[in-house]
Amino acid sequence: NAGVTQTPKFRILKIGQSMTLQCAQDMNHNYMYWYRQDPGMGLKLIYYSVGAGITDKGEVPNGYNVSRSTTEDFPLRLELAAPSQTSVYFCASGLGQGAHEQYFGPGTRLTVT
Amino acid sequence: DAKTTQPTSMDCAEGRAANLPCNHSTISGNEYVYWYRQIHSQGPQYIIHGLKNNETNEMASLIITEDRKSSTLILPHATLRDTAVYYCIAARGGSNYKLTFGKGTLLTVNP
Repeated sequence: NAGVTQTPKFRILKIGQSMTLQCAQDMNHNYMYWYRQDPGMGLKLIYYSVGAGITDKGEVPNGYNVSRSTTEDFPLRLELAAPSQTSVYFCASGLGQGAHEQYFGPGTRLTVT
Repeated sequence: DAKTTQPTSMDCAEGRAANLPCNHSTISGNEYVYWYRQIHSQGPQYIIHGLKNNETNEMASLIITEDRKSSTLILPHATLRDTAVYYCIAARGGSNYKLTFGKGTLLTVNP
């Protein structure tokens, strides 16, 4: 199993541009999550999904959108990128429903200038 | 979810046990204690979790006080590869399982 994969690894955006961060998992996990981590800080939850077709906001959802059309994929969309969205983005997945472990991807480092 | 408090940093000699404390004095009865770690620039990695009882796996041991207001993660024989930020998180398990990461403890294992 590849686990949780994220693309791209690095990206530089200009202010106002849009992009989609890709996340995929091959563990048949129902739960998927998007976090962001600013320098020197812990992770903050952006959005999460408990299954295909179901998404919900986390702690910091503004400026982002998600969709979950399949169990495997959970893309994160940034519309009108702003410098405040410069961060490292981590995708994670888990079985949910009482299972405790979350598996994290390697992250996408995004810079908005 | 209950707030957790951890020291900002700790040092440990290679081969010795690393004991990482965490305070969670407002933890509720249905909240678990989770430990994750993040090696530089990588995604966080699950280590262990517990509710009331002490737990042990191949990576670490988790000691939870009887009143559940604090816990200690123990790495029995720390290696240089254990240098990482360690996060202690209190969260409900089950179908609404979301993690809130604080700043964690930077553990530096020295040769």
